[in-house]
This record gives sequence, structure tokens and C-alpha cells, in this order.
Amino acid sequence: DGGITQSPKYLFRKEGQNVTLSCEQNLNHDAMYWYRQDPGQGLRLIYYSQIVNDFQKGDIAEGYSVSREKKESFPLTVTSAQKNPTAFYLCASSIVGDSGYEQYFGPGTRLTVT
Amino acid sequence: AQSVAQPEDQVNVAEGNPLTVKCTYSVSGNPYLFWYVQYPNRGLQFLLKYITGDNLVKGSYGFEAEFNKSQTSFHLKKPSALVSDSALYFCASPNTGRRALTFGSGTRLQVQP
Repeated sequence: DGGITQSPKYLFRKEGQNVTLSCEQNLNHDAMYWYRQDPGQGLRLIYYSQIVNDFQKGDIAEGYSVSREKKESFPLTVTSAQKNPTAFYLCASSIVGDSGYEQYFGPGTRLTVT
Repeated sequence: AQSVAQPEDQVNVAEGNPLTVKCTYSVSGNPYLFWYVQYPNRGLQFLLKYITGDNLVKGSYGFEAEFNKSQTSFHLKKPSALVSDSALYFCASPNTGRRALTFGSGTRLQVQP
């Protein structure tokens, strides 16, 4: 899982509560990403950031928010507006350049909302 | 649109036999293609990538992949499977705009002892 840490590993929340997932990297990568993984599906992109203080929506950004105040950190907030938040969330980072650079993934956070 | 497809949800192979996990792509221009592996409740680990050059790409843990332009395929292979290779495998390529990766739906590899 390289130099990317995600915490906590498991997270339980009640419906209607916002929750923030942590992602930190010490790889000196400029780009960071958040993906969501559901059973039987591939990863879907939520948000990505290629530079501090800038980020873009991915394919399923509704109900999520992010910030990128530091190069090393890219926290994801799952808001109460997200209709089906229970999932496995993966953070990744990479070098910015042409798209031939592989992404490095954290160990993931499994969020359960009841 | 840039996309990859993994036609098999699951592949079963006996230990010691060769394995193949299939991936096809639909990418305009020069394709960049990746393979990742995921063990249960873990993040994804990079295995190998094709950017340009030799059609046979060698990667981690004895895996290799063959890029075939005429068949638009990038199948993952290993000459002799291990039980420890049992995991979920994802093919990926950069998405439109080439800012992040688009992943296939994944193929579960089960290696029987």
C-alpha cells in the first residue's frame, strides 16, 4: 500500500451524519484521487486533485466534498446528501504528467451507514 | 470514450497451470493500459503497464501481459499459477481527459490447490 495511509480502516455512522475520511501520502505526489468501490463493480472516480487548492469532480461527485489544503492530504467528506454511502473508499496518488504514470493506492476505508 | 472491459467475472485455475485474465480496450490514440491486483479488504497494487514498445510487458510477481492492437486486448498471464495469486484483478486505462483511471469491473481469480 506504499506511502499512502487512510484512516480509519472501518467507520460506522448513522444516516444523516456527515463523515470525513482521511488520506495522507508521503510520496511527494502532486495528484491525489478518491474512488468508491461497490461489490461486483470496478472503481468509480469521486474527486481528483492535481495541485494544492484545486480539485475536480469525477464521475460520482454528488453527495461528496473534498479539500486540498496541503500536498500530503486529501480528505473526503461523505455528506448526508449521498443517497447510498455504504461502500469501500480508496484513495490514490500519482505523479502528474502524461497519463503513463501508475497510481499508488491506500489500504481503503470501509464505511457503513445505518 | 476511453474504456476497458473484463468479460469474465471469475476465472478458476489449478495451481501450477497457466492463467489468463482477459481485458479488452476501447481507447482512441495510443492506449496506456494498466493491471492492478486487490487482495481482500486491501487497496490496489500495481502489477504492470503498457505505454509503448514491446507488446509483451513483464510485471511484478511473475505476471506478464500481452498487448494486441488488432484484437484490442491486453490479457494478463502467468505461466504457473499459485494459490496465493487468488485475488481480484483490475484492468485500467486513463479516462477521457487522461486525468484519472477508468477501471474494468474486475475479475476474481481463484487458484485451486
